[in-house]
Amino acid sequence: NAGVTQTPKFRVLKTGQSMTLLCAQDMNHEYMYWYRQDPGMGLRLIHYSVGEGTTAKGEVPDGYNVSRLKKQNFLLGLESAAPSQTSVYFCASSYVETQYFGPGTRLLVL
Amino acid sequence: SQQGEEDPQALSIQEGENATMNCSYKTSINNLQWYRQNSGRGLVHLILIRSNEREKHSGRLRVTLDTSKKSSSLLITASRAADTASYFCATDPREYGNKLVFGAGTILRVKS
Repeated sequence: NAGVTQTPKFRVLKTGQSMTLLCAQDMNHEYMYWYRQDPGMGLRLIHYSVGEGTTAKGEVPDGYNVSRLKKQNFLLGLESAAPSQTSVYFCASSYVETQYFGPGTRLLVL
Repeated sequence: SQQGEEDPQALSIQEGENATMNCSYKTSINNLQWYRQNSGRGLVHLILIRSNEREKHSGRLRVTLDTSKKSSSLLITASRAADTASYFCATDPREYGNKLVFGAGTILRVKS
């Protein structure tokens, strides 16, 4: 099993550009999450999903949108990137309490 | 806002020594988890302790939970260079649903 995978691994954007980060899991988990991690801080929850077709806002949702059209995939979109969105983005999935994380996507917005 | 606060922010020890990290939180929780993050990698779950448990062991890891003080500690015994990583506590607040709130982490460096 691949677990949780993220695409791409690294991306550079210019301010105002858009992009989509893809998260895929092969563990048949209902719950999926998107976090951002900034230096010196823990992970902050952006959006999450409790099942296919559902999404909800987390702690820092502004500037991001998500979709969960298929159970195994959770997409994070940036419609108009800003330098403040420079960060490392992690996707996670869970069945109950324990979360399984992907390797992360490093995003630089210039 | 972050629920958990780890202490110390950074810890440097010699191989073979024990490492202790602490976590404090603010609200009632269902459980508390510890995760490890190696440099440039995703987080890996280490151990979960429920609110009705006081101590739990897993290999060289020992976790304690004091709900009256809203604090937890992670002890790594006989540390190895491979234990060098960042360690995060994550709480599952009762009013927060099936979501975790992470602390800022403790950076552990084990020197060989």
